[in-house]
Order: sequence, then structure tokens, then C-alpha cells
Amino acid sequence: GAVVSQHPSWVICKSGTSVKIECRSLDFQATTMFWYRQFPKQSLMLMATSNEGSKATYEQGVEKDKFLINHASLTLSTLTVTSAHPEDSSFYICSARGLASNEQFFGPGTRLTVL
Amino acid sequence: GQNIDQPTEMTATEGAIVQINCTYQTSGFNGLFWYQQHAGEAPTFLSYNVLDGLEEKGRFSSFLSRSKGYSYLLLKELQMKDSASYLCAVRDNTNAGKSTFGDGTTLTVKP
Repeated sequence: GAVVSQHPSWVICKSGTSVKIECRSLDFQATTMFWYRQFPKQSLMLMATSNEGSKATYEQGVEKDKFLINHASLTLSTLTVTSAHPEDSSFYICSARGLASNEQFFGPGTRLTVL
Repeated sequence: GQNIDQPTEMTATEGAIVQINCTYQTSGFNGLFWYQQHAGEAPTFLSYNVLDGLEEKGRFSSFLSRSKGYSYLLLKELQMKDSASYLCAVRDNTNAGKSTFGDGTTLTVKP
């Protein structure tokens, strides 16, 4: 199957700093990428959907100025958590889907810890 | 919007068969997915149903009834490594085709 990578796999940062997470589709062109957040023992919560070259669509309750998403190319999307706080500590997972594809391929996730 | 229900936990014995049910209510349906997620890892794709009926893939099968808003995932010949969370997700029919996930069913396989 298709491969999606995420970097970094884990990050620890101080409160108030910004963290950028990259999501790459390695062997296919991802026309749509999804960003999820998952707290311990909870299900995936969709944060935003991004299509290449256009602004991301954020889910209700997700602050677009805090979680900046850029999908500048068909193989790369980035999520920047600005001014991170301890409550932003979570497992962030991206998934990618190619054109006319039914399947979403998930990245391995990024575990963010904000001190 | 979408509302997805699945049992929170299930326990089964190694070598047995287990069925995980999922019911959904949606304003626009464009497919149902099952994913497996081990603790601390990202989900992996198991199956996709968009038409009514049974899809079989090795030890795993998935069934869909659109009129009933119902699906199940059937796992045969259970192995210890099948202990994981199983997520039911429904895709909507907008251009973005985003999927909404259920809370997941934690399956524990015992020897």
C-alpha cells in the first residue's frame, strides 16, 4: 500500500513555543490530507481537511489561527501548533488520500508533549 | 453530521470468531471503513464497503447494510496479535469526503 510519513515522530517543547509537524506521501500524490488529534483512550478527532493549493477546512471548535495547516504540494502538508500549551499535548496523526481513491493512508503519528 | 456507535470493549478467545458491530446515522453516505489501531500506533486500513453485502479479505470480513445503517467486522481464527482497537469510520459525500470515526472497540484476545 501507499506510504505516508510524519516528522518528527515525537517532540517535547516548552509552553509558548511553536511546533511544526510534516506529513509526506512518499509514493503517491495526495490531493487531500486530513489532520487528526487523538487523546489517550479516545478516538480520532478530525481537526481539518486540506486540499492541495487551497485553504484548509477546519472542524468546529478547532482554532485555525492556532493550528496552521499548509498543503503547498501534492506530497507535503504541514501542521504548525502555535504558542503550544500543555493542553495541546496529544497524538497528532495525518492521513492522505489520492485522487479517485477510496482509502486514506495514515502516517505513523507525532506525539507532542508540551511542558 | 454523522453519529457512529460501536461497543466499547469485547473479549474473545484465541482461535474463535468475533463480530464487531457498528451502527451509523449520516446525512450523506459515501462509504464505510474499518481500521485497526494498536496502542500508541496510527490506524491501519482493514476494509471498505460502499455497496450492501459482504467483503472478505483473508481472516477479516466486513458487511454493510445501507438501509439499516449497519455494518459489522468479522474476525476469524483469532490470534493474540488481533488484540487492538477497531475503528468504524463513515465517509461523507462532500467534495472533501472526510471520514468521521467512531470511538472504537477495544478487542482483547485471550489464550
